[in-house]
Amino acid sequence: EDQVTQSPEALRLQEGESSSLNCSYTVSGLRGLFWYRQDPGKGPEFLFTLYSAGEEKEKERLKATLTKKESFLHITAPKPEDSATYLCAVPGSYNTDKLIFGTGTRLQVFP
Amino acid sequence: GAGVSQSPSNKVTEKGKDVELRCDPISGHTALYWYRQSLGQGLEFLIYFQGNSAPDKSGLPSDRFSAERTGGSVSTLTIQRTQQEDSAVYLCASSLGGRDYEQYFGPGTRLTVT
Repeated sequence: EDQVTQSPEALRLQEGESSSLNCSYTVSGLRGLFWYRQDPGKGPEFLFTLYSAGEEKEKERLKATLTKKESFLHITAPKPEDSATYLCAVPGSYNTDKLIFGTGTRLQVFP
Repeated sequence: GAGVSQSPSNKVTEKGKDVELRCDPISGHTALYWYRQSLGQGLEFLIYFQGNSAPDKSGLPSDRFSAERTGGSVSTLTIQRTQQEDSAVYLCASSLGGRDYEQYFGPGTRLTVT
C-alpha cells in the first residue's frame, strides 16, 4: 500500500536553531517527491520536486534531499516566518497521477 | 498571474442539504485535482481531471460526492445529502499536466455541516 510518513509531527525551534524534517515513503517505483509549505487557512504552496536519489534542491534557508526510502527537509538558521506546516507527497503507484500526502510537520520558530 | 481560486471560502450547511463548491484553475492548466483536508489529517485525494480524458474518481468516498469540469476549465464538486463527517477543508489544485508537474493549490473551501 502506498504510504507517506512524516516526522516529527511537531517541531519547536529557537530562531537560528537548524534542524531537519523527515519524509519516508513506500511506493512502487518513485516518480518524484514533492515538498509543500502550508500556512494556516491557506492552501499548500509548492517548494521543491526531487526525482532521483542523491538529488538536492535549495531555496533560501531550506534544502531538500532524497534517498531511495526517504527525503529530508533541512532548515538552516530558521526565522519565525518559516513557521508553517511542511507537507511531502509522492505520486501513487500503478501509473496514477494522484499524489499521496503525508500528514505534515508543524514547525514553530520562536524569536 | 492569477492563481487558483475557490468559492465560497466558507460554507455552513445543515445535515442533509446539498452543497456545490467551485474551483477556477490557473489558465492553461490541463490537470485539476480535488482534495479534502480534515483536522489533523493529511490531504485526501478525491478526484482528478486531465484534459478530455475520463476523470480518476478513485478517491471519492461515497456516491454522494460528484464533480464535473466544464470546458476543460472551471470545476464544481457537489456533495449531496451532506453528513457531519463531510466537514473539512476542500482544496482544489491545478497543474500543467500529470505527475511530473507541480500542483498549485487554491485557498480552499471550509465546509461545516451542522
